[in-house]
Amino acid sequence: QSVLTQPPSVSAAPGQKVTISCSGSSSNIGNNYVSWYQHLPGTAPRLLIYDNNGRPSGIPDRFSGAKSGTSATLAITGLQTGDEADYYCATWDSSLSTGVFGGGTRLTVL
Amino acid sequence: QVQLQESGPGLVRPSGTLSLTCAVSGGSIRSYNWWIWVRQPPGKGLEWIGEIHHSGGTNYSPSLKSRVTMSVDKSKNQFFLKLNSVTAADTAVYYCARAIVGATTGYFDYWGQGALVIVSS
Repeated sequence: QSVLTQPPSVSAAPGQKVTISCSGSSSNIGNNYVSWYQHLPGTAPRLLIYDNNGRPSGIPDRFSGAKSGTSATLAITGLQTGDEADYYCATWDSSLSTGVFGGGTRLTVL
Repeated sequence: QVQLQESGPGLVRPSGTLSLTCAVSGGSIRSYNWWIWVRQPPGKGLEWIGEIHHSGGTNYSPSLKSRVTMSVDKSKNQFFLKLNSVTAADTAVYYCARAIVGATTGYFDYWGQGALVIVSS
């Protein structure tokens, strides 16, 4: 049971936009930066967003992040079939003194 | 380009000790502060195990703290994970990664490909 709550799954058609939410508390998202990862099982997770809305070099601007209060959101526009993967939010929890991941969201591009 | 590679036994007996090595190449382990271990049990999500500073300081997940030890060998540019008293619940793909950590920031920008460890007799 993760301290960060994500929807188990989301879906949308190619070319459309999808958002994935990540809900936490003041001890984690509320007072720390959030990062997002794309993960295909059996491969290395890929950093998509850091510091709430930063994009590493090489990540398309179709991926964007935002944070408000104790929640964060990953948005993906212009969906492609290659975007089908699991997506995880992560942050530091100051009360637990540990890093924490969300439970993950499976994206299906219909 | 920093690269990480996990290695270690793929099968561990119940009650035994899981030992993994993460070899870092393309950069010095001293150049970046923190290095982490993450695991993914079959059919489940990512779980943060803990982190180690190149000086040897550590932070562990509260749920695993009693069984986990992390260490670093700067001369070999490697860091290590040991998890003792393992059970089937510790079966997972184990990942190592580089952590960029600040006062309120922390993210993991380079990852290994992962090592599957099965706990079974």
